[in-house]
Formats: sequence, structure tokens, C-alpha cells
Amino acid sequence: QVQLVESGGGLVKAGGSLRLSCVGSGFAFSDYYLNWVRQAPGKGLEWISFISTRGTAIQYADSMKGRFTISRDNDKNSVFLQMNNLRADDTAVYYCAREGRGQWLDHWGQGTLVTVSS
Amino acid sequence: YELTQPPSVSVAPGQTGTISCGGNNIRSKSVHWYQQRPGQAPVLVIYNDVDRPSGIPERLSGSNSGNTATLTISRVEAGDEADYYCQVWDSNTDYRVFGGGTKLTVL
Repeated sequence: QVQLVESGGGLVKAGGSLRLSCVGSGFAFSDYYLNWVRQAPGKGLEWISFISTRGTAIQYADSMKGRFTISRDNDKNSVFLQMNNLRADDTAVYYCAREGRGQWLDHWGQGTLVTVSS
Repeated sequence: YELTQPPSVSVAPGQTGTISCGGNNIRSKSVHWYQQRPGQAPVLVIYNDVDRPSGIPERLSGSNSGNTATLTISRVEAGDEADYYCQVWDSNTDYRVFGGGTKLTVL
């Protein structure tokens, strides 16, 4: 079955950096776009970024541009999110999600918690 | 592009609940819906306005017209209590956009 497993979350001080990873299994990883979505405590879902199958197309939400970088390694069935200059309002659960043909997110990981202390 | 959802909807067991998702000329877009139970990751329940992934009960259905898309849950059960989010693709920016979410409470 399709599985996505995130890792790399934790506690970091404001201004610091973290690199999140997501490993996919049970499907042809290189055939799918991948996304990162986050959810602050008690808040709704916020889309962060997507990356195309070969990494040639990438987009970020406005508030993440310049601080976050998405990348992927198809040989390792992995997608990454490098987060720099973290702020307290980046505190959230970060999910990776597989994207279907019509830009819907058909499978999600369980998420990894990032806590930024000020 | 912005999507507007009511913060909460309440419905009695066995009744029909509807959750709206408003957006400018949203009928021109494909709308997708996610269910998120407490402490769990979101699950896709409707895609392309009306389609259900395998394993999603027929009690959940979607529609899209004018400036409003709607998720309808028939014969509501206690297990339907969750947060529901609509989502579209904004072709102008290539952004994936979520609505603010609606908490469905089963009375």
C-alpha cells in the first residue's frame, strides 16, 4: 500500500534551520508530484510547496518563498524540505502528500512536528 | 485565489449535513475535499467535484456550481465528526489552495 513517512522534525530556536524528509513506498515514486503542507496548532491546512516528477517545476506559497526549499531524490524515493530562518509562527505539523493527476492530494504521511522557540 | 468555508456545522445523527466552499467562479475549477479526524492526517474524500476514492462511502457526495462548491454527507454518523477542507488548484499561480476548514459536529 502507498505509504509516506516524514522525519526530521523537532525543537529549534528562532533563526535556526531544519531539513525535513519524506520517504515514499508502495508506488512508483518518480511518477508523482509531491507536496508539503503544514498545520499550526489548532489551525487549518496551509499549502507550502510542490515539486514535479523530475524537480523541473517547483512552486512555493508566498510566505515560504526565500526561506524554504523543496527537493527530491527519486533514487531514494525521498522528498525534502529545507527550512531556514525559522520563526515562531512556523511551528506546525508538516505533512508530505502525493499529488494525483488533477492536483488533488491523494495520500498523506502522518506528519512531523516542528516547534520553533522564540 | 481564496476559498471561504463556514467555521462550523452541526447536524443530528441520521440527518444530512452540508459544508460549503465559496470562491469566485469556483465552478470553473475542480474542487477536492479532505476529512481530518482529531489527531490524524487528512484523507481525500472527494476529488474533481464529485468523484470518490475507493473506500469512501457513497453517503459523501460533492457538487460545484456558480460560486459555491458543496460537500454533502447523508445519514450522518458519529464517525463523520471531523474537520473538512476544500482545495483547488489556482492555474494562474500554480498554487494549491485550501479553504479555512469546517468543523462538523454530530449532535
